Amino acid sequence: GAGVSQTPSNKVTEKGKYVELRCDPISGHTALYWYRQSLGQGPEFLIYFQGTGAADDSGLPNDRFFAVRPEGSVSTLKIQRTERGDSAVYLCASSRGGLSSYNEQFFGPGTRLTVL
Amino acid sequence: QKEVEQDPGPLSVPEGAIVSLNCTYSNSAFQYFMWYRQYSRKGPELLMYTYSSGNKEDGRFTAQVDKSSKYISLFIRDSQPSDSATYLCAMSAHSSASKIIFGSGTRLSIRP
Repeated sequence: GAGVSQTPSNKVTEKGKYVELRCDPISGHTALYWYRQSLGQGPEFLIYFQGTGAADDSGLPNDRFFAVRPEGSVSTLKIQRTERGDSAVYLCASSRGGLSSYNEQFFGPGTRLTVL
Repeated sequence: QKEVEQDPGPLSVPEGAIVSLNCTYSNSAFQYFMWYRQYSRKGPELLMYTYSSGNKEDGRFTAQVDKSSKYISLFIRDSQPSDSATYLCAMSAHSSASKIIFGSGTRLSIRP
């Protein structure tokens, strides 16, 4: 079946602009995660959703970052007033959710954001 | 200090060699220990996970966890050029949906 998809695959923007990054999780997965990966580093947790609600947003670096998942499926990560330091690959992952067993997170290919 | 420390490499070995990759961590709450493989311009994919201390084997791959030392390892036997990738150790406190903390990744190259 289809995996996690992310659009766009690449985004180039100018400092100060607003960007939206989209994630389509695997069908039926109730949990959705956003991570950020800078060059030469491992993914860094940003936020995760269980259904429509943000269950843990402790990784969002500041109030310029916001994410939504209004219908419990597709999610959008929104970044206001972008800064050069926001340049990174933004990864989305999804998992089945639930409490009973190990929840493998399946990752999308990422959106490469470049802020000029 | 980062919660998870991993030598970034790069590590280059000849085909057929045994590869050893390692991570240390500081958070005693971690219960699940994972190894992900990431090819260039792709998302990470799970190789294997281990719960608590012990060993787990899957084909040419063996994962070891020593919670008393806060040290985990991944061994790759009979390494192949197709194993060339970045290997990320990762950890979480819960089996259910929760955040994963990743190491910085080790770049591995297998020379034919």
